[in-house]
Amino acid sequence: EPEVTQTPSHQVTQMGQEVILRCVPISNHLYFYWYRQILGQKVEFLVSFYNNEISEKSEIFDDQFSVERPDGSNFTLKIRSTKLEDSAMYFCASTSGLGRPDTQYFGPGTRLTVL
Amino acid sequence: AQSVTQLGSHVSVSEGALVLLRCNYSSSVPPYLFWYVQYPNQGLQLLLKYTTGATLVKGINGFEAEFKKSETSFHLTKPSAHMSDAAEYFCAVSGDNAGNMLTFGGGTRLMVKP
Repeated sequence: EPEVTQTPSHQVTQMGQEVILRCVPISNHLYFYWYRQILGQKVEFLVSFYNNEISEKSEIFDDQFSVERPDGSNFTLKIRSTKLEDSAMYFCASTSGLGRPDTQYFGPGTRLTVL
Repeated sequence: AQSVTQLGSHVSVSEGALVLLRCNYSSSVPPYLFWYVQYPNQGLQLLLKYTTGATLVKGINGFEAEFKKSETSFHLTKPSAHMSDAAEYFCAVSGDNAGNMLTFGGGTRLMVKP
């Protein structure tokens, strides 16, 4: 069964460093998402991406964040200058865009720790 | 705007007992509702979803949920808990447009005692 994959599974970085989290969505899907879950808190929407542009973003997704689909398979989340409060589990998801509702399929997540 | 409230951050049941996880939502548009499960160190897996039509929705692993519009609820149940059901459960709501984001509740951690 097709699945969303994410790399790395764990990322440790120093405050102020740039990180790139990588995702490979399901191959025929059209919509891509990033969510994050700070330890002990709810899963929060960050951004959605369709047709090579951001379609929706939350207040959390400020200028420090960017997303890109550099090729036909990868979808990346970049954090330019990490802060301590960026420590969280980051989930990528994708949907086909065909369903009503559209089921989002999630990857296993990347745990980001900012020291 | 949409929001989801899950009553009870932790629920403990004995193996074989009824599981009831509560979810209430708020939505300005007809909602689509979802339950996801997260096992330790894993991602979110869809349990079931409500679209339109039948208000009782059956999902994987013997779980089901009932959409009650008058109560704005979408509670998750399972008649008999199994040890393998121990996990965190998230209720979520979305709109009906393609690409709509999910809004999640705070999650309920289900513990199953032998």
